[in-house]
Amino acid sequence: DIQMTQSPSSVSASVGDRVTITCRASQGISSWLAWYQQKPGKAPKLLIYAASSLQSGVPSRFSGSGSGTDFTLTISSLQPEDFATYYCQQANSFFTWTFGQGTKVEIK
Amino acid sequence: EVQLVESGGGLVQPGRSLRLSCTASGFTFGDYAMSWVRQAPGKGLEWVGFIRSKAYGGTTEYAASVKGRFTISRDDSKSIAYLQMNSLKTEDTAVYYCTRILMRFGQHWGQGTLVTVSS
Repeated sequence: DIQMTQSPSSVSASVGDRVTITCRASQGISSWLAWYQQKPGKAPKLLIYAASSLQSGVPSRFSGSGSGTDFTLTISSLQPEDFATYYCQQANSFFTWTFGQGTKVEIK
Repeated sequence: EVQLVESGGGLVQPGRSLRLSCTASGFTFGDYAMSWVRQAPGKGLEWVGFIRSKAYGGTTEYAASVKGRFTISRDDSKSIAYLQMNSLKTEDTAVYYCTRILMRFGQHWGQGTLVTVSS
């Protein structure tokens, strides 16, 4: 099974900061990676799919990059509504999904 | 507007069964694969399984942790996806979300339904 490792597990940042979250796959997954945002008590929300494609309606301050085993989610200028937990998800095989353990973005 | 509404959660004893429903609206349900994802209290996301559209055979795939106990089905005439959960264990306690799949990713998510397995 493909394992997904996110880092860091948490990050403290201020409004306006640039925040970068990384996700590493235990084997190559091409560009079959998504990023989700989840706020407390709410369902996850798709931000980025296919490693770098921005989901409709998602602000352009969110961007994704990478392929193979190493991927990055970047928030270019953190906004108050961006404080949440972020998950990566691999879908290299159409037979199984795997999520990373999550990265909590907290107010500094 | 795409809407997914889960229902059927509740408190159930270990070893018993429960069926969750995901009622869809705002799109042609039969055209899409659907997935179930769960989240134990205070934990991360765990994929449960998915069902392909009828155009792709309507076949299913499951996580190892639920294979043989859980069954996903769909009724395209009613725009509902189901998750039948048998032989429930305490570790199945979680919020269960259904998702509409786009290119192997969860594009739209329901609000979730809580399943608590406890004696």
